Amino acid sequence: EVQLVESGGGLVQPGGSLRLSCAASGFTVSSHYMTWVRQAPGKGLEWVSIIYSAGTTYYADSVRGRFIISRDNSKNTLYLQMNSLRAEDTAVYYCARDPHNTGYYSPWGQGTLVTVSS
Amino acid sequence: EIVMTQSPATLSVSPGERATLSCRASQSVSSHLAWYQQKPGQAPRLLIYGASTRATDIPARFSGSGSGTEFTLTISSLQSEDFAVYYCQQYYNWPPLTFGGGTKVEIK
Repeated sequence: EVQLVESGGGLVQPGGSLRLSCAASGFTVSSHYMTWVRQAPGKGLEWVSIIYSAGTTYYADSVRGRFIISRDNSKNTLYLQMNSLRAEDTAVYYCARDPHNTGYYSPWGQGTLVTVSS
Repeated sequence: EIVMTQSPATLSVSPGERATLSCRASQSVSSHLAWYQQKPGQAPRLLIYGASTRATDIPARFSGSGSGTEFTLTISSLQSEDFAVYYCQQYYNWPPLTFGGGTKVEIK
């Protein structure tokens, strides 16, 4: 069964850092485009970052220069390093797999909540 | 960046009735359009890709249509488990991937 399990969320002060993990099973992370999408409380979906199977990465303007997406092939795990966190980064963060490397995503992980507050 | 606009924001429908949700792109996305369903406290689930292809295990009552800039998700006969928020997403010109603001389907 293809599955994604996120972890690493929590409460962090403005300006702080957090690293999210997304452990994959049932497929190989490095063979697929993998993405992070976030959802602020009561709001819609916002794309955050993507890593292609070849390793190329892209970021939303709102996080570029502060967030870093990466993967550990030996652990079959995707990461999102979040630095210089702001209150507006508060959201549930989902990782998701692109099954055919074409731009749509399935499955998604269950999400991990990041709260940025003093 | 391609802007996706969904309407209506909220749709009130009785169980057993048909629901029609709309999604408009600010420029043509050909058929590179996906629909997702999200229930409270859950992750989004892929329903439709390629504008009209149902994802694995998605019931036949869900259908997608359209191309270019205008798209429709139709739920032919609403079941209790279908009350949720639905998002469209374009993958024609990305990154960035862009989502619509969502349509909440609620019980009338």
